[in-house]
Parts: sequence; C-alpha cells; structure tokens
Amino acid sequence: GESVGLHLPTLSVQEGDNSIINCAYSNSASDYFIWYKQESGKGPQFIIDIRSNMDKRQGQRVTVLLNKTVKHLSLQIAATQPGDSAVYFCAEFETSYDKVIFGPGTSLSVIP
Amino acid sequence: DTGVSQDPRHKITKRGQNVTFRCDPISEHNRLYWYRQTLGQGPEFLTYFQNEAQLEKSRLLSDRFSAERPKGSFSTLEIQRTEQGDSAMYLCASTKFTGGEKLFFGSGTQLSVL
Repeated sequence: GESVGLHLPTLSVQEGDNSIINCAYSNSASDYFIWYKQESGKGPQFIIDIRSNMDKRQGQRVTVLLNKTVKHLSLQIAATQPGDSAVYFCAEFETSYDKVIFGPGTSLSVIP
Repeated sequence: DTGVSQDPRHKITKRGQNVTFRCDPISEHNRLYWYRQTLGQGPEFLTYFQNEAQLEKSRLLSDRFSAERPKGSFSTLEIQRTEQGDSAMYLCASTKFTGGEKLFFGSGTQLSVL
C-alpha cells in the first residue's frame, strides 16, 4: 500500500550545526505534508506544513522542501539546539482517505 | 490551558478488563482523531469524528474498540476485554477542518495491559 516513510531512523548532530531530516512518500495524489516533533512522553507537536503547490516554506529556524518529482520531503533545522532533540515525523494528508498518515520517524540527537 | 486534554495520562490494567479514555479537544475544533502509537513507531490512525459523527474506523481496529463523541465536544475511547497487544500510547488530536489537516495533539494516554 502507499505510505510515508523516512530514510534515516537516527541522526546525531553537533550543537550549532544544521540538521536535515529526509522523508520519502509514495502517494503522488497527496497535496499536503506536515512535519511533527515529538518529545518523550508528549504528543506530536506541529512544526511546519507545506502544500503540494509549493516547493519550499520557511519558518523560524526550520525550512521544509518538497520535491514532487522524486516524491521527497525534507526538514532543515538551522543552528540545531539541544532542545531540538526529539523524534521527527513527516506526515501526509491523503485526500482520498481524508486523514493524516505518519511515517515511522527519525530520532534527532543534538551533541552539546 | 486551551490545548487538547487527555485523561488519564497513564492506565495500568489487567488483561480482560475494560478501559475508557477521555479526550477534550480544542473548543472550536470540529474534527477529532484517535491514534495509537507503539514504541519507535509513528502514530497509527484508529478513527475520527466530524462533530458527533464517526466518519471512519480503521480496519485494524477490532470490535473490542469503540469510540463516541456524543455532543460533538469531548470523545471517549473504550477498549473491552483488553489484551497485552493493546498496550500502547493512545493519542487524541483535533483540528478545525479547512482542507489539509493541521492536527493538534494531546499528551496521550499510556496504556499498559498486564
């Protein structure tokens, strides 16, 4: 079946460096993508979203890039901080199924 | 706090017992979702409501699971005759549906079935 998945299960970065978390999706009909951050013991927290008619969107220290040609989504975190340590999920809104589908997640560890 | 609230935060029960969880969404949100999450995995869709109507229930959900949203506000998720495989984090999320789904999640209920 069609699903959203992540390339790397774990990622370690030095504090102050930039982080890039990647995601592959397979449903070409999806038109809305979301990145969530989940800290231990908490529910997922919305970070940033992007619609399929865009290829880039910027927030505060975060940028999401969408490449529809290769069905790839990435989250860039600038000047990574210890508070960024968490599991990051990309999620896809499937218009045909009318719900958000999550991938398995990437665990980001920031080394002080 | 005006976010999504879930109760209880933790529940330990014996196999075969029934459990019920409650979710209070953000007040103006008309859609409410239930997800289940096991360790190291992404949240898995269970069911969702638009106002009081349950629009979809995952095929993965057995008949032991039932959810209600009687007045279109809070929702309950009941698991009957719990099994050890039901142990997971049960997450509730809500949104004001406008096309696309920016979900706001609660902190979840961690269920442990002994």
